Amino acid sequence: DAKTTQPPSMDCAEGRAANLPCNHSTISGNEYVYWYRQIHSQGPQYIIHGLKNNETNEMASLIITEDRKSSTLILPHATLRDTAVYYCIALISNFGNEKLTFGTGTRLTIIP
Amino acid sequence: DSGVTQTPKHLITATGQRVTLRCSPRSGDLSVYWYQQSLDQGLQFLIQYYNGEERAKGNILERFSAQQFPDLHSELNLSSLELGDSALYFCASSDPQGFFSGNTIYFGEGSWLTVV
Repeated sequence: DAKTTQPPSMDCAEGRAANLPCNHSTISGNEYVYWYRQIHSQGPQYIIHGLKNNETNEMASLIITEDRKSSTLILPHATLRDTAVYYCIALISNFGNEKLTFGTGTRLTIIP
Repeated sequence: DSGVTQTPKHLITATGQRVTLRCSPRSGDLSVYWYQQSLDQGLQFLIQYYNGEERAKGNILERFSAQQFPDLHSELNLSSLELGDSALYFCASSDPQGFFSGNTIYFGEGSWLTVV
């Protein structure tokens, strides 16, 4: 799986959009970009994933650059409950045999 | 609620002892994963089982072992415990078709192990 690089920490004002970047310059054509978050020692929570098209769900949007070397997770209206460590992971889908390898992630702090 | 159940939630034991952590995956999920998260380290992948068979091994110590039973629940056995084994142990499960349907690997709430 491709290595991903994320800033160690970010702050965002409550109510504003939080934009979390991720670099994955060595990503291969069949690797998906996945985002998870971990809220203070809880189990990691799936947020969103994508291959090359931008994706949106009820939690977030994922913007993947055309060359797929980087992506941005967008939390449109951040709340205090979004304070967490966010992990960007590049992963090849393998019919239930996927293995998530977590890096150090980005610690996002939402400021009231 | 992810649907993945882990027991016990908290466990305190002495060095040299042995403990067993239990995980019940989401209904229908065939893959079970175990992760360790220490205070000073991130989430470390330990081992994966798929439908009863070991599929992948990560940084799992020889003192640790796991198995997945015919009903798909899994147990992580930790023996000859040391202070450094104190950590949060997560179990996760996934659906073989999950990545195509947008569902993916789901994590339980973890088992806190404190070795004293």
